[in-house]
Amino acid sequence: QQPVQSPQAVILREGEDAVINCSSSKALYSVHWYRQKHGEAPVFLMILLKGGEQKGHEKISASFNEKKQQSSLYLTASQLSYSGTYFCGTSRLPPGGATNKLIFGTGTLLAVQP
Amino acid sequence: DVKVTQSSRYLVKRTGEKVFLECVQDMDHENMFWYRQDPGLGLRLIYFSYDVKMKEKGDIPEGYSVSREKKERFSLILESASTNQTSMYLCASSPTTPRSSYEQYFGPGTRLTVT
Repeated sequence: QQPVQSPQAVILREGEDAVINCSSSKALYSVHWYRQKHGEAPVFLMILLKGGEQKGHEKISASFNEKKQQSSLYLTASQLSYSGTYFCGTSRLPPGGATNKLIFGTGTLLAVQP
Repeated sequence: DVKVTQSSRYLVKRTGEKVFLECVQDMDHENMFWYRQDPGLGLRLIYFSYDVKMKEKGDIPEGYSVSREKKERFSLILESASTNQTSMYLCASSPTTPRSSYEQYFGPGTRLTVT
C-alpha cells in the first residue's frame, strides 16, 4: 500500500520554510526521500533507518518516527532550486539484496517563487 | 558518475504491438527496477530484479514482463500494448552496500504513447 504524502502541493516564497509528511499504515524499516525537478529524473536526497534518526542534506533535513510510521522532510530557507516534486519511498524490510524495493508515495509538488 | 540510460525518450506505438523498453546501467549494480509514473499516482513499481535472471513482481505487473540476461541490462516488455499503458516509464538501478545508502539511480525516462 502506497504511503500517503501531505500536502499534495505547496507554494512558497524564497526564504520560507516547508514541511512534507509521509505516513504509512504499516510498520517501516526505512524511509527514502527523492526530489524530481520538472522534466528530469528523480534524485536521491537521503535515507532514514529505523531508530528515529534525523539527517540533513544542505538545508534539507528529515526525521523518522517508526512508532508512528511517519517521516517528515524539512526545507528551511527555501531556494528557487528546491522546486520540484518530492517523493518518499518506504520499505518494511532492512535494505540489501532482494529486499531493496521501495513503495513510493504519490508525491508533493513544491513551487518556490521569487 | 553513475549512468542509467534508456533506449528512447519518446515512443509511439499502436495498440496490440509488442514493445521493448531497454535500460542499461554502467555501475555494476545488482538491483534494477522498472517504474511507471502517472500524474497523481507517483512512482509505481512494475518489476524488480536483484540479480541476473532473477526477477520479482512489483505492484502493477499485469500486462508486462521483464528480462535480465546480463547484469547491466534490464528490459521491460509490453506483450500487447494497450492505451492504458500510455505513461512515463522510468528505469532505476541501485547497489546493495550500506555505504551507498542503497540509493536508486534513475534513467531519464521513456514517454510511451499507445494509440
